[in-house]
Amino acid sequence: KNEVEQSPQNLTAQEGEFITINCSYSVGISALHWLQQHPGGGIVSLFMLSSGKKKHGRLIATINIQEKHSSLHITASHPRDSAVYICAVRYNSGNTPLVFGKGTRLSVIA
Amino acid sequence: EAQVTQNPRYLITVTGKKLTVTCSQNMNHEYMSWYRQDPGLGLRQIYYSMNVEVTDKGDVPEGYKVSRKEKRNFPLILESPSPNQTSLYFCASSLSLGIANTGELFFGEGSRLTVL
Repeated sequence: KNEVEQSPQNLTAQEGEFITINCSYSVGISALHWLQQHPGGGIVSLFMLSSGKKKHGRLIATINIQEKHSSLHITASHPRDSAVYICAVRYNSGNTPLVFGKGTRLSVIA
Repeated sequence: EAQVTQNPRYLITVTGKKLTVTCSQNMNHEYMSWYRQDPGLGLRQIYYSMNVEVTDKGDVPEGYKVSRKEKRNFPLILESPSPNQTSLYFCASSLSLGIANTGELFFGEGSRLTVL
């Protein structure tokens, strides 16, 4: 079964630190999503990408298709960035459009 | 405002009592999906729909039914709920999964269901 692996599972950082969260997948994909879930439960989409790099404010997402790997970077982290970050991929094959990682729980301490 | 609306947000029910969780989107999205989220297991897909009258099973469809009679609505039906269906449920929609620029996912706020 195609899976999505995220690392680390948990991450604690000091305010201002540069943060990297990783996502690896197993076979060819057509798209990869990064999602954010704050305490309290709501989920918002941060990025959807199929190649290269995207930037939104202090967030940067990159994907390396050859290495089957994506990273989410947060620059100048802030306590409000504390959340669970979830990677999801759409594989080219299989009958389930999206496969989710189990998430990375980030805590940013002031 | 573009949104995905789920109801109810919270529900406590008893084993065997049929219930429906509604999901509605106002963005004319083709793709809609239901997920459940459990501690340590992450999000798991229950059912999804690529368009009206087109539905398919996800990873954990047992005990659930769905229908897609209109583009905007995608209700999740638990015919005979059991305690192992206690979970946090999310509905999501997307214009299309196949095109990189239109595949952004929009999630509802979640429905916390407890089955006693």
